[in-house]
Amino acid sequence: QKEVEQDPGPLSVPEGAIVSLNCTYSNSAFQYFMWYRQYSRKGPELLMYTYSSGNKEDGRFTAQVDKSSKYISLFIRDSQPSDSATYLCAMRGSARQLTFGSGTQLTVLP
Amino acid sequence: DAGITQSPRHKVTETGTPVTLRCHQTENHRYMYWYRQDPGHGLRLIHYSYGVKDTDKGEVSDGYSVSRSKTEDFLLTLESATSSQTSVYFCAISESGTTGNTIYFGEGSWLTVV
Repeated sequence: QKEVEQDPGPLSVPEGAIVSLNCTYSNSAFQYFMWYRQYSRKGPELLMYTYSSGNKEDGRFTAQVDKSSKYISLFIRDSQPSDSATYLCAMRGSARQLTFGSGTQLTVLP
Repeated sequence: DAGITQSPRHKVTETGTPVTLRCHQTENHRYMYWYRQDPGHGLRLIHYSYGVKDTDKGEVSDGYSVSRSKTEDFLLTLESATSSQTSVYFCAISESGTTGNTIYFGEGSWLTVV
């Protein structure tokens, strides 16, 4: 069983929809949680970073962490075609190395 | 851009040949990483470095070696390339210190072993 599970999709939504992306994990030592966005044939870029449980909002993006359920989410409001990309969750404990989910491919249709 | 340059960006090589990928950073960050990305596996850590001449293995280090003789350069070598090493390779960097949670990625190097 992988330490981090992420539904690969693909996920297709109409423009303006609210998108929910999720990851579950098994390692209770994870305390730093990140979401990366990766456009086709590009490197991942950091979208959101959260520490421990709770919510964090940045514009149209909200990251949510529920450590009791070992579940993290990324919500995208008013989704745009430019949001079409693969979204990767990542997390780590006290060690510096990140463990990544396999990514969810999102397409926002105009 | 995070000031990371990977070279070459694309390479086709034959089984059994040595291959070296180079990562160059202009950010003076202490930590550097090599990841590979494959369908269904996401990003997996191959090796990382926490300073000049200081390196350690990651999750999938077999068949790979690394060297870091300067802060700005981190080399990944496949001593004898195999078809299973066909992948996209990403270099990444992060700052030192307790706030260094952000990892920045390069643009990737596409390697095909035939």
